[in-house]
Amino acid sequence: AQRVTQPEKLLSVFKGAPVELKCNYSYSGSPELFWYVQYSRQRLQLLLRHISRESIKGFTADLNKGETSFHLKKPFAQEEDSAMYYCALSGGPYGGATNKLIFGTGTLLAVQP
Amino acid sequence: EAGVAQSPRYKIIEKRQSVAFWCNPISGHATLYWYQQILGQGPKLLIQFQNNGVVDDSQLPKDRFSAERLKGVDSTLKIQPAKLEDSAVYLCASSQDLPYEQYFGPGTRLTVT
Repeated sequence: AQRVTQPEKLLSVFKGAPVELKCNYSYSGSPELFWYVQYSRQRLQLLLRHISRESIKGFTADLNKGETSFHLKKPFAQEEDSAMYYCALSGGPYGGATNKLIFGTGTLLAVQP
Repeated sequence: EAGVAQSPRYKIIEKRQSVAFWCNPISGHATLYWYQQILGQGPKLLIQFQNNGVVDDSQLPKDRFSAERLKGVDSTLKIQPAKLEDSAVYLCASSQDLPYEQYFGPGTRLTVT
């Protein structure tokens, strides 16, 4: 079964501390992995995707196929990083016909001053 | 570019009543998605359109939910009759065929009493 697991509902850190939001997935094939973010009173938006291998707002995520994980990391948290973060997977155009996203339950990141 | 538009933003109805939501995707986006997000969960895909056609409606409760996308642009999602468990945020998203980034609307928060 296709599934995304985010074990932490809430992660609270102090400003300047490292952040790691955990994401594990279950998928038979080669999925594409994404992190979406929702800031307070804003719409859900893409933060980064694994195929881009880029850093956005200081965040990075590495796909570990052996551990089926796609953890989101940032070395120094900022207060403006406080938001709801969702990990999601897609079968993509070759692994799945529809490109639909399967989301985890989300982790609320609270960065304390 | 203008983002995905949805209306209404909030709706309160009694159980067994009917309700309809409207979505206008980003201009030129061929693919349109409707997601249901119940409190404390991640978004779950209800239906995906590619232009006028349905690509995936495997998780749409077809006995009470219906959706259409006339002329391959705007879309409406209807619930008739509503149940208490339909209380959720209904998100509309759109994307071009590639590279799969989905752009989300602000959502419609439905409360069924």
